[in-house]
Amino acid sequence: QVQLVESGGGVVQPGGSLRLSCAASGFTFSRYGIHWVRQAPGKGLEWVAVISYDGSTKYYADSVKGRFTISRDNSKNTLYLQMNSLRAEDTAVYYCAKDAGVAHIYYYFDYWGQGTLVTVSS
Amino acid sequence: QSVLTQPPSASGTPGQRVTISCSGSSSNIGSNYVYWYQQLPGTAPKLLVYRSNERPSGVPDRFSGSKSGTSASLAISGLRSEDEANYYCAAWDDSLSGPIFGGGTTLTVL
Repeated sequence: QVQLVESGGGVVQPGGSLRLSCAASGFTFSRYGIHWVRQAPGKGLEWVAVISYDGSTKYYADSVKGRFTISRDNSKNTLYLQMNSLRAEDTAVYYCAKDAGVAHIYYYFDYWGQGTLVTVSS
Repeated sequence: QSVLTQPPSASGTPGQRVTISCSGSSSNIGSNYVYWYQQLPGTAPKLLVYRSNERPSGVPDRFSGSKSGTSASLAISGLRSEDEANYYCAAWDDSLSGPIFGGGTTLTVL
């Protein structure tokens, strides 16, 4: 069965950095785009970034552009999110989510991980 | 404030039919598919409806999606206590060049 397991969350000071990981299993990781979606405490969902199946294409939400970098290692079936210049408003549970399209990004998410909490606070 | 507008809450009694609305504009719902996600308390979201009215395998046919113009709806028939959750609509937005979500609707089964 499809499994996505995030890790790397924690408490970081404003202006600091953090790298999240998402380990995938149960499907051919190298054939699918993968997204990061976040949810601030008690709030709704916000799309953050996507990377294509081969890592050649990356798109970001305006709120994180220039600060966050999405990447993947298909040999390790793992997705990453490097977060720099963190702000209080980046505090959220970060989910990795599999795109439903094969070798094409459809921008909807058919499987989600359980999420990892990032808290930006001094 | 979300680009897609959902009522913050909805409720119904067991067995009832409940509808949750999602209002957008010509740049999102009006020209693209709508998706619905269910988030049970303390868990990750789950895809409930894709391409406006299709259900993934394993989703009961009690859940159905529809779209008309710049609005969409999720209908839940034969309401059950386990349907208590937050429901989010989503769509691609041509102006923002990215996927957007509604603010979510908390469904309570009385």
